[in-house]
Amino acid sequence: DVKVTQSSRYLVKRTGEKVFLECVQDMDHENMFWYRQDPGLGLRLIYFSYDVKMKEKGDIPEGYSVSREKKERFSLILESASTNQTSMYLCASSTVREQYFGPGTRLTVT
Amino acid sequence: RKEVEQDPGPFNVPEGATVAFNCTYSNSASQSFFWYRQDCRKEPKLLMSVYSSGNEDGRFTAQLNRASQYISLLIRDSKLSDSATYLCVVTLNSGGYQKVTFGTGTKLQVIP
Repeated sequence: DVKVTQSSRYLVKRTGEKVFLECVQDMDHENMFWYRQDPGLGLRLIYFSYDVKMKEKGDIPEGYSVSREKKERFSLILESASTNQTSMYLCASSTVREQYFGPGTRLTVT
Repeated sequence: RKEVEQDPGPFNVPEGATVAFNCTYSNSASQSFFWYRQDCRKEPKLLMSVYSSGNEDGRFTAQLNRASQYISLLIRDSKLSDSATYLCVVTLNSGGYQKVTFGTGTKLQVIP
């Protein structure tokens, strides 16, 4: 069974804090993704990576950065959290045919 | 125009009913198509791929219409457990990688 884990299910941070969201997959997938999901807007791609140390911007990269130092781990960084980054964050890894999602991190920025 | 569009619903249907959702996509070069299911407060999971000739998995039938650029999902004999949000997914090879675009989802509520 493919497993994608995320470091926290719920997180509360203050405006201006630096926030790290960690994602780990155990299936040796090359492709990994970070999305945010908001009501009415669906899943929006923030960044993705198709190899170690490689990263590509998705549709809404502003205010975020990522790190992929090891194949199994893909980190999302909010350099200076803002209230409009309050959201559900979903990590995924994929084969060509299927994306496997982690359980999500609900981040609240106050 | 959005890359992938779905009617958000909700579709409220009685148990045993047949229900169909459509999803339209804007890029005619799109290559692969999928339906994902997302239960409340859970992560999305793959329901089924959509093949050009159409495909069936039990009570679920998926169709692709390339000429009109839409995919559909038909659920027969709806069960209470089918209540979920159904996400349409379209992929496109772009610049050496695969671009994956999710629709915003269609919410289905099956009523006893």
